[in-house]
Amino acid sequence: KAGVTQTPRYLIKTRGQQVTLSCSPISGHRSVSWYQQTPGQGLQFLFEYFSETQRNKGNFPGRFSGRQFSNSRSEMNVSTLELGDSALYLCASTSSGASQETQYFGPGTRLLVL
Amino acid sequence: KNEVEQSPQNLTAQEGEFITINCSYSVGISALHWLQQHPGGGIVSLFMLSSGKKKHGRLIATINIQEKHSSLHITASHPRDSAVYICAVSWFDEKLTFGTGTRLTIIP
Repeated sequence: KAGVTQTPRYLIKTRGQQVTLSCSPISGHRSVSWYQQTPGQGLQFLFEYFSETQRNKGNFPGRFSGRQFSNSRSEMNVSTLELGDSALYLCASTSSGASQETQYFGPGTRLLVL
Repeated sequence: KNEVEQSPQNLTAQEGEFITINCSYSVGISALHWLQQHPGGGIVSLFMLSSGKKKHGRLIATINIQEKHSSLHITASHPRDSAVYICAVSWFDEKLTFGTGTRLTIIP
């Protein structure tokens, strides 16, 4: 079974631009969660989608948004990029998103904002 | 505030040593996860615990619900175990909150 895939793997943008990242979960998984990892703040939860609905959201500004499609693939968008948005963005999938399920992580998208 | 604390932050050991990484959390949880992150950035889930103890190969994870504490042990450590180990907990709102990670280096 193929693992979680994320595209692109690397991205360079300038301040003020917007970016869209994509995550394809493991086949059959309906929950996708997004995380941001920075050296200063570590790993932080962004949001979780299940069956095309945002089910949970972390403490990030409205510039961070996401969506999920009927095939469970998910995208996250960051508008008006700031230098501090430079980070590794990870997504993870589970079958139902229950807290007692193992999360399967993608390889991440490394975003650099100049 | 719901918090997760890990110790130590950095750990260097000789090959073959027994390794222990600790994780404490502030209030009752629904599950605790141990994750491994290699230098390339990819994260692998090692264990998910809600009680007791789990073992996989040379790795053992335990959790004490009353003391709000979990440990990850590595027996007969090997240089390929060098990675960052991250503890993450989910409370009953189900989103994961992460510890700051323990950077483990095993010297041959």
